[in-house]
Amino acid sequence: GAGVSQSPRYKVAKRGQDVALRCDPISGHVSLFWYQQALGQGPEFLTYFQNEAQLDKSGLPSDRFFAERPEGSVSTLKIQRTQQEDSAVYLCASSRSGRFWYEQFFGPGTRLTVL
Amino acid sequence: AQTVTQSQPEMSVQEAETVTLSCTYDTSESDYYLFWYKQPPSRQMILVIRQEAYKQQNATENRFSVNFQKAAKSFSLKISDSQLGDAAMYFCAYRVIQGAQKLVFGQGTRLTINP
Repeated sequence: GAGVSQSPRYKVAKRGQDVALRCDPISGHVSLFWYQQALGQGPEFLTYFQNEAQLDKSGLPSDRFFAERPEGSVSTLKIQRTQQEDSAVYLCASSRSGRFWYEQFFGPGTRLTVL
Repeated sequence: AQTVTQSQPEMSVQEAETVTLSCTYDTSESDYYLFWYKQPPSRQMILVIRQEAYKQQNATENRFSVNFQKAAKSFSLKISDSQLGDAAMYFCAYRVIQGAQKLVFGQGTRLTINP
């Protein structure tokens, strides 16, 4: 594909509902990242995959957040029992792996609103 | 822990003029990348320019250039001949070269271009 795609672009959930956000990285990109961007703030790291392996999940704010990338391409970020503080834009980025593959390519994000 | 600080929440500049956005960071690492990303209202993060810490020469990309002061841990972005299309949120970001590939972002600066 031409770039990183994310779906849905917008999601409204009632508090307590589960949501699933999808990311399709650029073909051939080994590394995949999820970031959370609160309104008016910079993105904050959530988790990182290299192929199907989740190498860093230190940024996940609680055990309600779960991410997977079972075949090393598409990734899903799942939030269980959503809370109002989960309202944010969720950005996905992908890149090649290695010292000199520095650029992360971002998708357009999913705006999650929890009512 | 690494931190990135952007002390200017908002900046404005007249079209065709020059503007400088400030960024400072804190790290104990010696080998890292610094980036400036642009985020227009469409939310898609776009890489503007990067700087490798081991390079003394300041990076330039057309109308965009940086002033990298490693000892002072300062990394400012200069935009020359500002254009209406430059209006966006600008984020300074940091990444170590070896190990964790996650980006650490600043809080952002909203740049307005006045016609």
